[in-house]
Formats: sequence, structure tokens, C-alpha cells
Amino acid sequence: EAQVTQNPRYLITVTGKKLTVTCSQNMNHEYMSWYRQDPGLGLRQIYYSMNVEVTDKGDVPEGYKVSRKEKRNFPLILESPSPNQTSLYFCASSLRQRGAPSSYEQYFGPGTRLTVT
Amino acid sequence: KNQVEQSPQSLIILEGKNCTLQCNYTVSPFSNLRWYKQDTGRGPVSLTIMTFSENTKSNGRYTATLDADTKQSSLHITASQLSDSASYICVVSASGGGADGLTFGKGTHLIIQP
Repeated sequence: EAQVTQNPRYLITVTGKKLTVTCSQNMNHEYMSWYRQDPGLGLRQIYYSMNVEVTDKGDVPEGYKVSRKEKRNFPLILESPSPNQTSLYFCASSLRQRGAPSSYEQYFGPGTRLTVT
Repeated sequence: KNQVEQSPQSLIILEGKNCTLQCNYTVSPFSNLRWYKQDTGRGPVSLTIMTFSENTKSNGRYTATLDADTKQSSLHITASQLSDSASYICVVSASGGGADGLTFGKGTHLIIQP
């Protein structure tokens, strides 16, 4: 089954304790992205990756790191989490070929609810 | 600055009624516009994707329209069902360059009452 998986789904941690949220897709998609979603603010992009070893900042990258060593995986790293990073996080992927509109369809993971105390 | 504005912020309608959600954008140069449905606590799911040349696209009871001249899109839901209760997000993609080019609306929260 074609899907984007995220782990863990729920995480409660303390300020300053490094954590990684994993994201994996099995659709051979080139494009992957991380978003956070907060009430009243909608989805905001943290980082995105156009392909292996190619990553770039989104709208709210501060406090986050990513890596794209393999096509299928795109982990989100919080080196020193703070309470303002408490949020619902989504990973997404798409094929994203020029001239093929349907390839822009993004598939989202189930979300990771992170609480930082 | 590229922007996507959705209205209304929230909407409550009775089961079986129709409704229309609006999306206005100022994204340039335009590449495509997408509507997503997001159930509470879950990831968004794509409903439609439209390019500049498409002005109507349907997906079951969902029909999206696009007016590229006025930079407006609408999502019409026919004969609403309780399962339509969700947030609906409009996303506009700009073309060109190496940047991601995605601009998200904040969504319309739709509640269907029995």
C-alpha cells in the first residue's frame, strides 16, 4: 500500500532533550516536506527536499534540522526542543514532475503530536 | 507576497444541504491549485488539482472551480454528509525557480449537523 509513515505518532518530552521524528515513503517520490500545524495558523512548512541530498528551508525552519540521505526517508530533528515547538507535525511527499499536474498531489503522513514541557 | 485567503473560517450546515467554500489567491506565476480535506487529527487528503487551463474539476460530490483571471477558486459540496465534517485547505503553487512555491490557506472548518 502506497503510504507515508511517521514515527512516533505521539511524543511527550522535556525542554532540551534531542529528538528525531522519522518519515518514510514507499512511492519513490522525489519531493518530501515537513509541516507543523497550530490552531488558527494552518499548515506551515518547516523544510522541504527536492531530492536526495537537496534540502531547503520553508517558512518556519528555526529550531529544526532535516537530512535526506535516502530517497525514501526524511527525518526531522529537534536538537534542543522548546515548548513553542509543541505542535502537530506532518510529513508529505509527491512525485512532482514538470508538466504533470497530477504528480503534484501530495501524500501526507498520519501526523506526530509533539508536546514539549 | 504570495497569499491565499479562505472564507469562511468556519461553517455549519445541515446534513443534505449544499455549500460553497471560497479561496482567493495572489500567487504568481501560477502553476496549480489544490484542495485538500483534513479530518480532525489526521493528515490532509487531496481532493482536486487544477492547472491554469482547467476551470472545473469534480471528485464525487466535490466540485472545484477556478477563475485564473480573478484568481479565485471555490469548492462546492453537494448533498453534504456527516463525513464531510472536516477542514478544507486551499493550496496554490507558483511555478519557476528552485523554490518550493507552495502557499497554504488557513482552511475552512466545516461542520455538518444531523
